[in-house]
Amino acid sequence: QKEVEQDPGPLSVPEGAIVSLNCTYSNSAFQYFMWYRQYSRKGPELLMYTYSSGNKEDGRFTAQVDKSSKYISLFIRDSQPSDSATYLCAMSFTGNQFYFGTGTSLTVIP
Amino acid sequence: KAGVTQTPRYLIKTRGQQVTLSCSPISGHRSVSWYQQTPGQGLQFLFEYFSETQRNKGNFPGRFSGRQFSNSRSEMNVSTLELGDSALYLCASSLMPGSYEQYFGPGTRLTVT
Repeated sequence: QKEVEQDPGPLSVPEGAIVSLNCTYSNSAFQYFMWYRQYSRKGPELLMYTYSSGNKEDGRFTAQVDKSSKYISLFIRDSQPSDSATYLCAMSFTGNQFYFGTGTSLTVIP
Repeated sequence: KAGVTQTPRYLIKTRGQQVTLSCSPISGHRSVSWYQQTPGQGLQFLFEYFSETQRNKGNFPGRFSGRQFSNSRSEMNVSTLELGDSALYLCASSLMPGSYEQYFGPGTRLTVT
């Protein structure tokens, strides 16, 4: 069983829709949770970071961590065509080594 | 401030050969991590360097090695290439080890034939 599971999609939504991206994990010791966005032919860029449980909001993006269910989510409100990318979740025990999901490909249709 | 740079961007090698990839971190960043990205496995951690010392190593065979220089630039080497080594190799830099704020380079696309 992989440490981090992520539905690869692809996910296709109309512009303006709310997007929900999710990851599950198996190791309850994970403490740091991150979401990255990766455009084609580019490296991943950090979008959101959460420590332990709870919610975090940044503009149109909201990250949620549910440690009891070992489940994290990224919500994108009012999605834009520029949000079309692959979204990767990542987790860490101590910040020294990161475990990534395989990524979900998102297309926002104008 | 310039971002993380990786050279070369694309590389084609033959099975059995070796390859060296280079990474220049963001100015002032002293920690460099390397990842392998494939469609099936996603990003997998290779190793992390700080102050010219390897701090952490992922679950990869000894054919994968790396080093860091005094200016924080890093190289990774893969010897005796296999077809399965075809992947995007990403370098990430951060100010200090253990920081969640990693900045990735564009990667080197390695194809092994």
